[in-house]
Amino acid sequence: AQKITQTQPGMFVQEKEAVTLDCTYDTSDQSYGLFWYKQPSSGEMIFLIYQGSYDEQNATEGRYSLNFQKARKSANLVISASQLGDSAMYFCAMSGMKTSYDKVIFGPGTSLSVIP
Amino acid sequence: ETGVTQTPRHLVMGMTNKKSLKCEQHLGHNAMYWYKQSAKKPLELMFVYNFKEQTENNSVPSRFSPECPNSSHLFLHLHTLQPEDSALYLCASSQDLREFVYEQYFGPGTRLTVT
Repeated sequence: AQKITQTQPGMFVQEKEAVTLDCTYDTSDQSYGLFWYKQPSSGEMIFLIYQGSYDEQNATEGRYSLNFQKARKSANLVISASQLGDSAMYFCAMSGMKTSYDKVIFGPGTSLSVIP
Repeated sequence: ETGVTQTPRHLVMGMTNKKSLKCEQHLGHNAMYWYKQSAKKPLELMFVYNFKEQTENNSVPSRFSPECPNSSHLFLHLHTLQPEDSALYLCASSQDLREFVYEQYFGPGTRLTVT
């Protein structure tokens, strides 16, 4: 069965520093996609970044990059130059071909607090 | 309006009430989703619609009844709910379900409290 693990329930980072949020996953699919979403206190989930299992290069989107290590089944999110507005919950998610396209699995989330 | 909108944003209802949550997406997407987010639990997928057809009912109790009249609108009809149904209900959409690469766009959610 597919599973997403985020072992850091809460993280703190100093403003302008970089931070890594951990995500490990378990799947029997050969083809799958990994996503990171941000959920501020307002409640809306915001898509940040996507990594395909066959993508050879790590995904990057502005200050967000995904450190994808396929053999270790990890997909850590790196946020560079943290800003106060980055304080939020961050969710790692996965979808795969074998388990049908409409099953997106979310991890339990990591709460990030950016300190001025 | 842009993106995904949800109404109402907050709802308090008694266990004998009937209410409906509404979701509308302005992105031209073909797949829509309902999720339940309870405190200290992972996001739970409830229902999925693709081109107005329901593709997933993730063992959701019958007191939750979805309706998708077209690809832009999704409703969640609620009746005789229980206090444990209190949660944030999130609607999302994605381009469609042909590929797993499509990210989801979420609405702001409806904070539901069942008294």
